[in-house]
Amino acid sequence: QSVLTQPPSVSGAPGQRVTISCTGSSSNIGAGYGAHWYQQLPGTAPKVLIFDNNIRPSGVPDRFSASKSGSSASLAITGLRAEDEAHYYCQSYDTRLSGWVFGGGTKLTVL
Amino acid sequence: QVQLVQSGAEVKKPGASVKVSCKASGYTFTGYYLHWVRQAPGQGLEWMGWINPKSGATHFAQKFQGRVTMTRDTSINTGYMELSRLRYDDTAVYYCARERDSDYGDSWGQGALVTVSS
Repeated sequence: QSVLTQPPSVSGAPGQRVTISCTGSSSNIGAGYGAHWYQQLPGTAPKVLIFDNNIRPSGVPDRFSASKSGSSASLAITGLRAEDEAHYYCQSYDTRLSGWVFGGGTKLTVL
Repeated sequence: QVQLVQSGAEVKKPGASVKVSCKASGYTFTGYYLHWVRQAPGQGLEWMGWINPKSGATHFAQKFQGRVTMTRDTSINTGYMELSRLRYDDTAVYYCARERDSDYGDSWGQGALVTVSS
């Protein structure tokens, strides 16, 4: 059971917009720690997509955006493409555990 | 560019130990914490702990305390994660990741598959 809660799966047709939620608590996202998002393509290592709630590293398309409110965060992907099909994980720091915590991951299917 | 290159796949028997290496290049090894994260087959990401390559200080997730050791060799810019008393459910891909200031991993190794099998 993951400390951060994500939906197991989301889907959308090419060109559509999807969102993935990430619910934390007062010891992680709600405590003011950043929410970070990773994309994991099959058979590869996670790659950071968004850090510090809403910042895209260079090279990440602006189709990917994220926000944070209270103890929750959300990732949005617009203009869905086939290559976006992957698992997406949120991550934060937890003061009770003194370490990183992850969501259980969300599998995005592009219909 | 920043790169983390991990050692290869391992097959171990239950009760044995495994040591995975993570060689860093493209940055000052002692300037960034190194974290270890594992992923069991078909499962999500699980944080194991970190090492400060500069001081050697470590911190582990409670689940792994007593079974995990993290060390480093600054002369060759390499971090190590050793897990002892292996169980079948330790079968996973083990990743190292460099921590940036805001407590996230900005660069990850390619992963090392550890299979525990009799």
